[in-house]
Amino acid sequence: GQNIDQPTEMTATEGAIVQINCTYQTSGFNGLFWYQQHAGEAPTFLSYNVLDGLEEKGRFSSFLSRSKGYSYLLLKELQMKDSASYLCAVVMDTGRRALTFGSGTRLQVQP
Amino acid sequence: EAQVTQNPRYLITVTGKKLTVTCSQNMNHEYMSWYRQDPGLGLRQIYYSMNVEVTDKGDVPEGYKVSRKEKRNFPLILESPSPNQTSLYFCASSLMGATEAFFGQGTRLTVV
Repeated sequence: GQNIDQPTEMTATEGAIVQINCTYQTSGFNGLFWYQQHAGEAPTFLSYNVLDGLEEKGRFSSFLSRSKGYSYLLLKELQMKDSASYLCAVVMDTGRRALTFGSGTRLQVQP
Repeated sequence: EAQVTQNPRYLITVTGKKLTVTCSQNMNHEYMSWYRQDPGLGLRQIYYSMNVEVTDKGDVPEGYKVSRKEKRNFPLILESPSPNQTSLYFCASSLMGATEAFFGQGTRLTVV
């Protein structure tokens, strides 16, 4: 079966660092995406990991451990505009090549 | 500008009245898909298409149809909408299924 877990909500302070975790269980794995989604808007791509390790892109970094079925998104120097939902998505089915999404983590950045 | 365009953005309709939500992309992407997003359930794939005239069911296909007659267009058809299809719908395209997906602006559908 397919199972992707993320915390439902998180709160952090402007200027701080926050880590959003994602765990998954799957029999097949072809990569993990993180998307950002502001309320009422389309998801936008943040990062992609297919190999173990850390990918850094400006204030955002994403980590993957395939053996543990675990990823995290790290947001540094938080800004108010980072208040959004963060979606973890796994490519599980090589035939269908579909993204399977977690329910998303709603991050609230406070002054 | 590279984009995925959905129409309409908002739609209120009555049970049983056929409707179509259009989706068009200008990136020459092969892979297109439709998702619905419901609170607490995340994005769930309805249908997908790997190329022209090639479509298949996703995780929640019941009550929906699609077609892919041209590479750029991938309309979603609800032949007889029901209230449980009230949701936020997103069309997405990518070069291949497992690469970065670009999403349309979303269509908020209410079926009464």
